[in-house]
Amino acid sequence: DQQVKQNSPSLSVQEGRISILNCDYTNSMFDYFLWYKKYPAEGPTFLISISSIKDKNEDGRFTVFLNKSAKHLSLHIVPSQPGDSAVYFCAASSSGGGADGLTFGKGTHLIIQP
Amino acid sequence: GAVVSQHPSRVICKSGTSVKIECRSLDFQATTMFWYRQFPKKSLMLMATSNEGSKATYEQGVEKDKFLINHASLTLSTLTVTSAHPEDSSFYICSARVLAGGISGQYFGPGTRLTVT
Repeated sequence: DQQVKQNSPSLSVQEGRISILNCDYTNSMFDYFLWYKKYPAEGPTFLISISSIKDKNEDGRFTVFLNKSAKHLSLHIVPSQPGDSAVYFCAASSSGGGADGLTFGKGTHLIIQP
Repeated sequence: GAVVSQHPSRVICKSGTSVKIECRSLDFQATTMFWYRQFPKKSLMLMATSNEGSKATYEQGVEKDKFLINHASLTLSTLTVTSAHPEDSSFYICSARVLAGGISGQYFGPGTRLTVT
């Protein structure tokens, strides 16, 4: 049973436009959410996180939105750059503010086209 | 940011042999580390939580006698895949917990590609 779902295996966006990556979750105990960027044969790199007490967190070009009632979060990247091309994983935690074992989605491969 | 290393980065072994993977926190102490496994085109799956000085906590479905975890110091956790089989071939990634200075989260290592022939 996939508790964290990323239903789009891939997404193609033109350079300079906004990239929106979506993530849904089913476990209502999740209270902390994280986005990671991953290149092939490398470990995930932390991008941004959000606590369930917030509905938005912004860091530079990256913004994460959380809709608790819908159990949905999204990552917005604007403007998209070629270096953003990678696989993006949504992850969730039910305790420890992301410092406990994480449950990951399957990832979305973002492709930024010039 | 905090750095986590893994060694080796890739390893090929024969079926039936054992392989040890090391995970080190390079510039901070980590009382807790995690081991994940990623199959091709799949998500990372948490295998176990490694606690310094105590037994690891394994996730449901993970064989503790097959995947031996030792967290002997505050900067080193090891995962030993015993009697490896081809189905154990995977990408193994560790992470170290950070809980200090108002920062909480995990830093991931670069991963180890295991191929069992």
